[in-house]
Amino acid sequence: KNQVEQSPQSLIILEGKNCTLQCNYTVSPFSNLRWYKQDTGRGPVSLTIMTFSENTKSNGRYTATLDADTKQSSLHITASQLSDSASYICVVSDRGSTLGRLYFGRGTQLTVWP
Amino acid sequence: EADIYQTPRYLVIGTGKKITLECSQTMGHDKMYWYQQDPGMELHLIHYSYGVNSTEKGDLSSESTVSRIRTEHFPLTLESARPSHTSQYLCASSPSLGVSNEKLFFGSGTQLSVL
Repeated sequence: KNQVEQSPQSLIILEGKNCTLQCNYTVSPFSNLRWYKQDTGRGPVSLTIMTFSENTKSNGRYTATLDADTKQSSLHITASQLSDSASYICVVSDRGSTLGRLYFGRGTQLTVWP
Repeated sequence: EADIYQTPRYLVIGTGKKITLECSQTMGHDKMYWYQQDPGMELHLIHYSYGVNSTEKGDLSSESTVSRIRTEHFPLTLESARPSHTSQYLCASSPSLGVSNEKLFFGSGTQLSVL
């Protein structure tokens, strides 16, 4: 069964600290992996998209890594800010159709305290 | 960044009412989607469209219907709302540049509460 599991479910850190969020998936065949940031009451916003051949991709203070062999990804946030408080969603796409079906994780709820 | 708009943002209605959730995008994207999201849960695809006059049901069974008469407009309709329809509804679009690396652009969502 194609699944995307994220951990931890929730995380609280102090402003300025770094953190790493995890994503494990069983989706096959694999096409790409995406990380989205979703502020409370808003729609998700894309942070990164990585294909099979990409091991790491950065977007400002966000760095995503991908290990396609172990089917794991991580999102590292450096020097956290209060505005980083949000849900971070891992999404994996397969190549089973022309649409490329998307499998969503339940997200990690990050809270940054001052 | 995203030019995709959903109205209303919040809607509280009584059981049995007919409602339409609006979604419009100004990016000229061919592909549009409706997702349903409950708190702490993953997004579920309920409808999608590849272009004008093209609509398909998604993975999650839904009693809603959609239409795509114009490229920029993808409304979702519930003929008779029930409390089980209470949820957040997210509209999204993507360009038809290819298959794998298309980025989804999401609207801000409509939070629907059916009493």
